[in-house]
Amino acid sequence: DQQVKQNSPSLSVQEGRISILNCDYTNSMFDYFLWYKKYPAEGPTFLISISSIKDKNEDGRFTVFLNKSAKHLSLHIVPSQPGDSAVYFCAASYRRNTPLVFGKGTRLSVIA
Amino acid sequence: DAGITQSPRYKITETGRQVTLMCHQTWSHSYMFWYRQDLGHGLRLIYYSAAADITDKGEVPDGYVVSRSKTENFPLTLESATRSQTSVYFCASSESDVEQFFGPGTRLTVL
Repeated sequence: DQQVKQNSPSLSVQEGRISILNCDYTNSMFDYFLWYKKYPAEGPTFLISISSIKDKNEDGRFTVFLNKSAKHLSLHIVPSQPGDSAVYFCAASYRRNTPLVFGKGTRLSVIA
Repeated sequence: DAGITQSPRYKITETGRQVTLMCHQTWSHSYMFWYRQDLGHGLRLIYYSAAADITDKGEVPDGYVVSRSKTENFPLTLESATRSQTSVYFCASSESDVEQFFGPGTRLTVL
């Protein structure tokens, strides 16, 4: 059974607008949540993470929100740029240096 | 080159052949991981290692063997390749932070 779920396979957003990518998880033992970005023919690149003791973490245009009671997190990208077009993976881990559990990914297309 | 590298980047092999995918990192990270990416599955863990000579199975280890005699290298061997092992393979490493750093991947096709 999938522990990390990204229910939207794709998302299309206009340049300059906000992109919101969603992720749900089932295991309340996860302690860290991460977002990775992946371009074709490249490895995933780390974007931002959040600890389970926080509800928000911000880094430039990227903000991750965590709602523990709903077991839900979201990544907000503001403003969206064409270079943000990629596949975004949500991932979770039990603690530092443990394997990551990934969602299936959401393909974001930012249209100029 | 600094960072994490994988070789080969592309490989075509036949069913039943043995194949080894190489992973090398220059950071001296203690932890290393192998994942495979398949359509409809995201990335799934095959094996991981906490240090030289310490390895453990992940979610999909069947048909794979790993070794870690040196901290910087973590080769993944398919003992007898099957078509179901056609995939993109990613190696990653980490140290004290929660994030893992990924290599560029190896696209393996088993005919």
